[in-house]
Amino acid sequence: DSGVTQTPKHLITATGQRVTLRCSPRSGDLSVYWYQQSLDQGLQFLIQYYNGEERAKGNILERFSAQQFPDLHSELNLSSLELGDSALYFCASSPSPGTSGYTDTQYFGPGTRLTVL
Amino acid sequence: AQKVTQAQTEISVVEKEDVTLDCVYETRDTTYYLFWYKQPPSGELVFLIRRNSFDEQNEISGRYSWNFQKSTSSFNFTITASQVVDSAVYFCALSDPYGGSQGNLIFGKGTKLSVKP
Repeated sequence: DSGVTQTPKHLITATGQRVTLRCSPRSGDLSVYWYQQSLDQGLQFLIQYYNGEERAKGNILERFSAQQFPDLHSELNLSSLELGDSALYFCASSPSPGTSGYTDTQYFGPGTRLTVL
Repeated sequence: AQKVTQAQTEISVVEKEDVTLDCVYETRDTTYYLFWYKQPPSGELVFLIRRNSFDEQNEISGRYSWNFQKSTSSFNFTITASQVVDSAVYFCALSDPYGGSQGNLIFGKGTKLSVKP
């Protein structure tokens, strides 16, 4: 158990809908990362937050957004869902954000499996 | 651009065999970090090891060992006396803390290891 929690574990929804995925980082970790794992794209970084502030963006679609709250939990919002958004979405956390010359270990949650029908 | 290549898509061995999973990376920077993660059939991503580019010592942890060779840009992972519980997908990842990713992980496509009894 990494200490990172994600809810829900599974989510089934229809095209065009909007969903929210939730993540609670390990105790003491200030940085949260979101990744998408799909069959065709593999594991891809989406977005990173550190202590409430957006820190880095990866291959995140404009239909997707995220935020990190004062209690450090994070939510990933996916809207206007398409069939291709079906994937496993991981949240990870680390103590520090990753600065020049240093990368902390990221610990991953169990993931949320999203199925868009 | 940073890239991680895991050329072995699937490997099948019989229990107690030794197996090596290959990882080749590309980066222009001299400071970077390499990781291995395990994804068992249950789906979570489990952290195995983190290594920075200045530490070329090989590492052994129980039945697991890692061979880091900067000269060939490789960070290979060996499981000695494999067990059925080692069956999983293994991912190699690279982080370039000076690059645009700012410490976020770039994953290879993964190697699926099946250990048969």
